[in-house]
Amino acid sequence: EAGVTQFPSHSVIEKGQTVTLRCDPISGHDNLYWYRRVMGKEIKFLLHFVKESKQDESGMPNNRFLAERTGGTYSTLKVQPAELEDSGVYFCASSQDLGAYEQYFGPGTRLTVT
Amino acid sequence: AQRVTQPEKLLSVFKGAPVELKCNYSYSGSPELFWYVQYSRQRLQLLLRHISRESIKGFTADLNKGETSFHLKKPFAQEEDSAMYYCALISGAQKLVFGQGTRLTINP
Repeated sequence: EAGVTQFPSHSVIEKGQTVTLRCDPISGHDNLYWYRRVMGKEIKFLLHFVKESKQDESGMPNNRFLAERTGGTYSTLKVQPAELEDSGVYFCASSQDLGAYEQYFGPGTRLTVT
Repeated sequence: AQRVTQPEKLLSVFKGAPVELKCNYSYSGSPELFWYVQYSRQRLQLLLRHISRESIKGFTADLNKGETSFHLKKPFAQEEDSAMYYCALISGAQKLVFGQGTRLTINP
């Protein structure tokens, strides 16, 4: 079975541009999470979907970030316009149901804003 | 506030030596604690969780509520243990709160 996949693996954009990251969770996993690791800092939670609904978006840094999960399947995270401080590794994770504490992580997308 | 602290960014030990990666936490309530590991060129994966009280790849971790710690230990380090290790807790809202991570290097 394929694990969590993320696309692209690496993105380099200029400040002010737009980037869209995609995450495909493990099939059948209702819970989808986005996390981010900024250079030198810890991995931080961004938001949590249950199916297509946003359960918790308390970690989203500001309104330049928009996450969607169409039909409760894959999710996208759009950054518009990108700023230098958005550089980092964006991880997606999924889990089967609430209370299933093991979250399965994707390989991450490394975003570099120049 | 929920917080996980890993005081060592880097830890280097020799093969066969004991290893201990420190983790302290602050959390109001009963925490669920985990160790995640990321080997070179691999994705972040769960190593162990405190509720299962199991040993994985020779690693164990005991939750000490009095000291609010969840240190990861292995009596005899192996070269394949070299990786990035993250201590994490899960809040009631299902989100993982991570420490900054410790890069463990096992020297031959």
